[in-house]
Amino acid sequence: EAGVTQSPTHLIKTRGQQVTLRCSPISGHTSVYWYQQALGLGLQFLLWYDEGEERNRGNFPPRFSGRQFPNYSSELNVNALELEDSALYLCASSRAGEQYFGPGTRLTVT
Amino acid sequence: AQSVSQHNHHVILSEAASLELGCNYSYGGTVNLFWYVQYPGQHLQLLLKYFSGDPLVKGIKGFEAEFIKSKFSFNLRKPSVQWSDTAEYFCAVNEAGGGADGLTFGKGTHLIIQP
Repeated sequence: EAGVTQSPTHLIKTRGQQVTLRCSPISGHTSVYWYQQALGLGLQFLLWYDEGEERNRGNFPPRFSGRQFPNYSSELNVNALELEDSALYLCASSRAGEQYFGPGTRLTVT
Repeated sequence: AQSVSQHNHHVILSEAASLELGCNYSYGGTVNLFWYVQYPGQHLQLLLKYFSGDPLVKGIKGFEAEFIKSKFSFNLRKPSVQWSDTAEYFCAVNEAGGGADGLTFGKGTHLIIQP
């Protein structure tokens, strides 16, 4: 089966801009998770979507938001980008409590 | 709030040596426990998981982990490592019984196996 896919692979944005990252879960998975992997901070949980609803969010400001579509794909939106938002953003989808990760989107904010 | 501590940030071993990577978590309730591995240039892969039952769990590639509830630990072991085990290893936890919530990860252990 195809794994979790994410797009784009990498992108460069300027401070203050907005960005949208996309994730397609494994077929049959209804839950999608977003994580941030920033240098020195490790992997941190951002958001959890299930059946189109936001179920939980980590300790991140409201400018980090997202949504899940009827086909279970998901978008992560980050507004008013700051330099410290530079990180690898990982998406995961879940079945039976096991999370499967995608390759990530590398975001660089200059 | 949950937290995960991985004691060793960098470990260097020779091939055929035995491996044990420490992981301790802080949480008052029932948890699910995971070990993930990230090989160079690849994405995170699930090595093994513990939800309930036998505290000794076996995963892929000969890895195993033991959940010791009294010590809040979930250490990863492998009796004989190979050069191909060179990777970053992450311990993770989430709350059991509350649905499949987001994972809290440790900072990771960078394992280097010397041939």
